[in-house]
Amino acid sequence: DAGVIQSPRHEVTEMGQEVTLRCKPISGHNSLFWYRQTMMRGLELLIYFNNNVPIDDSGMPEDRFSAKMPNASFSTLKIQPSEPRDSAVYFCASTRGAGGTGELFFGEGSRLTVL
Amino acid sequence: RKEVEQDPGPFNVPEGATVAFNCTYSNSASQSFFWYRQDCRKEPKLLMSVYSSGNEDGRFTAQLNRASQYISLLIRDSKLSDSATYLCAVNGDSNYQLIWGAGTKLIIKP
Repeated sequence: DAGVIQSPRHEVTEMGQEVTLRCKPISGHNSLFWYRQTMMRGLELLIYFNNNVPIDDSGMPEDRFSAKMPNASFSTLKIQPSEPRDSAVYFCASTRGAGGTGELFFGEGSRLTVL
Repeated sequence: RKEVEQDPGPFNVPEGATVAFNCTYSNSASQSFFWYRQDCRKEPKLLMSVYSSGNEDGRFTAQLNRASQYISLLIRDSKLSDSATYLCAVNGDSNYQLIWGAGTKLIIKP
């Protein structure tokens, strides 16, 4: 079975540009997470969806960040406008159930560099 | 104090040696504990869950010490391929929340 699929794998953009990251979770998984990983802060949860509904977006840094999950097989994370401090690896993860008690399956990540 | 703490390392260990590292957590109500492995420039992958009775999978043993609020990972007969960063994760207050440690970097040397 295919794992979590993310695109793009790498993105280099200039400050002020819009960035859209995409994720296809594993079929049958009803929980989806967007994480950001940096050397300084480690893995940070940005937003959690359950059955396509945003449950917790308290980790979204500011209004420049938004996320959607229009259906069970697709989610986007958008940054507009992007800033150099947004440079990080963004991971999407999915799981059955709620996520706090079972295995999370991560995508390969989207490595974002904002110049 | 951070909710989940790990020694960042790196732990430099000769091939064939035994290595162990811990992860401390602050929430005494936590019930679920995990070790994930992350290779350089790759995504985290579940290595093993940590049960109250401990868990062993081949050369890997995970233990939970509730009294002192830490979990441990022991790797026996270490291989070059064990070189990676090991992340611990502990469930938070909600049923979906995982609190992540910053990871312990392990380098196995020939």
